[in-house]
Amino acid sequence: QVQLQQSGPGLVKPSETLSLSCSVSGASVRGYYWSWIRQPPGKGLEWIGYISNTGSTNYNPSIKSRLTISVDTSRTQFSLKLSSVTAADTAVYYCARGETRLAYGMDVWGQGTTVTVSS
Amino acid sequence: IQMTQSPSSLSASVGDRVTITCRASQTISSYLNWYQQKPGKAPKLLIYVASSLQSGVPSRFSGSGSGTDFTLTIGSLQPEDFATYYCQQTYSAPYTFGQGTNLEI
Repeated sequence: QVQLQQSGPGLVKPSETLSLSCSVSGASVRGYYWSWIRQPPGKGLEWIGYISNTGSTNYNPSIKSRLTISVDTSRTQFSLKLSSVTAADTAVYYCARGETRLAYGMDVWGQGTTVTVSS
Repeated sequence: IQMTQSPSSLSASVGDRVTITCRASQTISSYLNWYQQKPGKAPKLLIYVASSLQSGVPSRFSGSGSGTDFTLTIGSLQPEDFATYYCQQTYSAPYTFGQGTNLEI
């Protein structure tokens, strides 16, 4: 059974870099798209971006200049780095697996990490 | 691409048949997915490519549509179906979600 386990700090100071990781178990990272999605408190879902196992990325233009998504195929892990964070980046962050067979639909999700940006 | 769901909230009873609509601001072919989210939990994929039922999802869930107009139908509501539902287009990045439909008892 495929599982995604998220890790990373829950509190980040303004202007600093938010770093989250997502470890994949029960499946290879090859052949899939590994995505990040966030949900501000009380609001809807926002797609952040994805990386394929070959390293190709696709980012949301709204945060592209601050965003880096990377994948470590040897460790079956992928990561998100968001720089220069503000209070507007406070949200629950999810990692998820997408598949072309599902039209990039995301069928496996991490448990979510609540990230608060505050001094 | 902007995705607009209607209604934003919906009250229904166990056994009811309900339909949620999602409209795209431009054509997205059939690149439309539906998710269910319960409070404090990650979303769950229900329908992909507009009408394909994800493995393990009950058959009372169905999806239809293409182009710009899509629907999610729940044939006979069960207590566990009360949740928030989101559509998402994956035709063109950024892969935008609708604002959500809160289905309440």
